[in-house]
Amino acid sequence: ETGVTQSPTHLIKTRGQQVTLRCSSQSGHNTVSWYQQALGQGPQFIFQYYREEENGRGNFPPRFSGLQFPNYSSELNVNALELDDSALYLCASQRGGLFEQFFGPGTRLTVL
Amino acid sequence: AQSVTQLGSHVSVSEGALVLLRCNYSSSVPPYLFWYVQYPNQGLQLLLKYTSAATLVKGINGFEAEFKKSETSFHLTKPSAHMSDAAEYFCAVSDPNAGGTSYGKLTFGQGTILTVHP
Repeated sequence: ETGVTQSPTHLIKTRGQQVTLRCSSQSGHNTVSWYQQALGQGPQFIFQYYREEENGRGNFPPRFSGLQFPNYSSELNVNALELDDSALYLCASQRGGLFEQFFGPGTRLTVL
Repeated sequence: AQSVTQLGSHVSVSEGALVLLRCNYSSSVPPYLFWYVQYPNQGLQLLLKYTSAATLVKGINGFEAEFKKSETSFHLTKPSAHMSDAAEYFCAVSDPNAGGTSYGKLTFGQGTILTVHP
């Protein structure tokens, strides 16, 4: 069984640019959540997708957007990057009604 | 709103000593509670979870945690620390009655870095 994978591993962007991060869910999982983990902090919930629909959102501005595809993989898009967007972005998948989330290794985004 | 407080951002123990990592939560309803471990440059791995069954929960790698409603606590323990336990540990809470927009949303504490000395 393949676990949750994320790409790219590392990314460097400049302020004002746009970025797309990708996540492949664990096999059989139809729910994906995205978290932002700033340095020295715990992860913060960005949003969740269930069967291609947004199913909850944390306290993040609209320039953070996402997609989930029919194969349940997902993208996180961030527009107009700011320095404070520098963080580790974690994707987690789960099998619908179960609460256990399985996390990917994350994408380290640096905004200069 | 739910919240999690982890007491002590850094804990240092000797190999073979007891590990105790503290977590207190705030929730208007009985929550589901989780402990995750994060090794450097890696994602989060679930150690154990409390989902309203037994209050003493056993997890992987010899860790366990006890849910104490009266103290709103869910402290993580391990009788004997191993060098490989050195990592950052996160306590998290999820509302089991939440459907719709907050289904599966985890609220994390700030994390506790565990150092194990030989």
